[in-house]
Amino acid sequence: QQQVKQSPQSLIVQKGGISIINCAYENTAFDYFPWYQQFPGKGPALLIAIRPDVSEKKEGRFTISFNKSAKQFSLHIMDSQPGDSATYFCAALDYGGSQGNLIFGKGTKLSVKP
Amino acid sequence: ETGVTQSPTHLIKTRGQQVTLRCSSQSGHNTVSWYQQALGQGPQFIFQYYREEENGRGNFPPRFSGLQFPNYSSELNVNALELDDSALYLCASSPGGGSGHNEQFFGPGTRLTVL
Repeated sequence: QQQVKQSPQSLIVQKGGISIINCAYENTAFDYFPWYQQFPGKGPALLIAIRPDVSEKKEGRFTISFNKSAKQFSLHIMDSQPGDSATYFCAALDYGGSQGNLIFGKGTKLSVKP
Repeated sequence: ETGVTQSPTHLIKTRGQQVTLRCSSQSGHNTVSWYQQALGQGPQFIFQYYREEENGRGNFPPRFSGLQFPNYSSELNVNALELDDSALYLCASSPGGGSGHNEQFFGPGTRLTVL
């Protein structure tokens, strides 16, 4: 049972364009939604995170949009750069019995063409 | 400030063997979580340790066990290795209180290959 569904699986964007990655979740108890960036051979690095009491959060070129009623959230990367080429994971926190249980999507491999 | 470190970087074992992976948490962090990341997949939660006690466990069999030490470093032990255990094992530390609301910071991982 996949509790966090992420799309697309892969994405190719031209330099300077906008990259958009979408995630949907099922469990209404989730209350923390981070995005991670992972380069090959490295661990995931926290990019930006949001809680469901706000609909949008922006940090530099990265923006999370959150739609609580639709149980969806998305990552927008503005002015995408070749250095942004990596795999991006959305996640949600299961605050049930396991307090640290991040549930991850399957990832989106982003390629930014120069 | 030192980030999360893991050792070893790579490890090759044969089926049936046992393995121990190590993690040093980021300075000031008292909570450590372990994740398994299969190739091309997102990380999957194994378990979390807070103040040397297991604080939650994912859907992994008992042959996956762990420890946390007084300095908050942690070990992941896997017994009776199976081919499907081949994966990147990630350790993440967080400032703690056992609260999942704290940001989790990942180490570089240990790549385990089971032959």
